[in-house]
Amino acid sequence: QITLKESGPTLVKPTQTLTLTCTFSEFSLSTPGVGVGWIRQPPGKALEWLALIYWDDDKRYSPSLKTRLSITKDTSKNQVVLTMTTMYPVDTATYYCARLFPRVFDVWGQGTMVTVSS
Amino acid sequence: QSVLTQPPSASGTPGQRVTISCSGGTSNIGRNIVNWYQQLPGTAPKFVVDTIDQRPSGVPDRFSASKSATSASLAISGLQSEDEGEYYCATWDDNLSGPVFGGGTKLTVL
Repeated sequence: QITLKESGPTLVKPTQTLTLTCTFSEFSLSTPGVGVGWIRQPPGKALEWLALIYWDDDKRYSPSLKTRLSITKDTSKNQVVLTMTTMYPVDTATYYCARLFPRVFDVWGQGTMVTVSS
Repeated sequence: QSVLTQPPSASGTPGQRVTISCSGGTSNIGRNIVNWYQQLPGTAPKFVVDTIDQRPSGVPDRFSASKSATSASLAISGLQSEDEGEYYCATWDDNLSGPVFGGGTKLTVL
């Protein structure tokens, strides 16, 4: 059964950089057509796509956050890492990773809540 | 402000059929399959159906989706109390080269 799990800090200070790791199992990010994406959800608000990376290392970013985001993969470790620079309180949200295949997020992680506060 | 527009709320009584709409544009819904996600309270979103009638195993065929031009809709027939939650439409946007989500619709089973 395919699973994904997000990990990282629960609290970051304003202006700090956030690094989140998605560790997955039962699929490979070297399989053609497969991708892993990050989506976030502020408390009580809608889902917002952030970034995704494909099996061939093609990377896509949300235009509104592109300058602050970086996504990388380690196929041997079955991990995808998202980095978001200069965190603000408005970035407080639950961050999800999900498998994208081919253009649907068909399996999601449980999410990790990140609070930005001094 | 989401790229895709959904009504903020919908409701129905057990056994009824309810529909949730999703409006977009030519660069997104007009050219691509639309996916629907269900988010039950306190849980992660879950893919339930798309507009070419793909449904993960375990999702009942009470959930169906359709699309016309730049609008899509989710229909849930035989409404059940466990269907109560938030529903999001999503699709690919060719101009943004990435996925876009709707603002979500809170479904209440009365």
